[in-house]
Amino acid sequence: NAGVTQTPKFRVLKTGQSMTLLCAQDMNHEYMYWYRQDPGMGLRLIHYSVGEGTTAKGEVPDGYNVSRLKKQNFLLGLESAAPSQTSVYFCASRDPGQSTDTQYFGPGTRLTVL
Amino acid sequence: AQSVTQPDIHITVSEGASLELRCNYSYGATPYLFWYVQSPGQGLQLLLKYFSGDTLVQGIKGFEAEFKRSQSSFNLRKPSVHWSDAAEYFCAVGARSSASKIIFGSGTRLSIRP
Repeated sequence: NAGVTQTPKFRVLKTGQSMTLLCAQDMNHEYMYWYRQDPGMGLRLIHYSVGEGTTAKGEVPDGYNVSRLKKQNFLLGLESAAPSQTSVYFCASRDPGQSTDTQYFGPGTRLTVL
Repeated sequence: AQSVTQPDIHITVSEGASLELRCNYSYGATPYLFWYVQSPGQGLQLLLKYFSGDTLVQGIKGFEAEFKRSQSSFNLRKPSVHWSDAAEYFCAVGARSSASKIIFGSGTRLSIRP
């Protein structure tokens, strides 16, 4: 049981390049989330999904796209990276069940856009 | 507006001393409240959560938190800190009825003085 995993752990991009971050969870959770973490700002929600085939915008969705083709995977895409997207990205999954409604986080992806 | 405030950006305490980290929230619905800890370079780990019932909740690593509805607070405490407690701590608030609305505070960085 690996929990929530993220690929890659580190990445450096040039402005305008594209990339996809992969999040995988093996806990059969319905809900999945992508956050970005910037110094002094806590975690901000980018996009989330409440089930396979569904996605929704969070607090800071601009410049990002997501897909949830399989229940266990949630992909975050940057079509044209900008320096403002330099951040640490965290994926989380959540079990909305009555007694265990808790988010479980992956280890993070540190992205630098030059 | 829904928000979580952690008024202390950085706190330093001596090893063996007691600790209290403050968290205040503004939330329209009945809140679920969480404390997470993040060690350097790591993801977020759940320390404890409050859903209902007893307002004093016990968590892992000897932490506890008390929900005070009248003060809209959910402060985290530990009677005696250890050097390994040095980390960043995040308070979060959510509602079971909403998949997206888990809001994080900006975090408090805890340093331990030998």
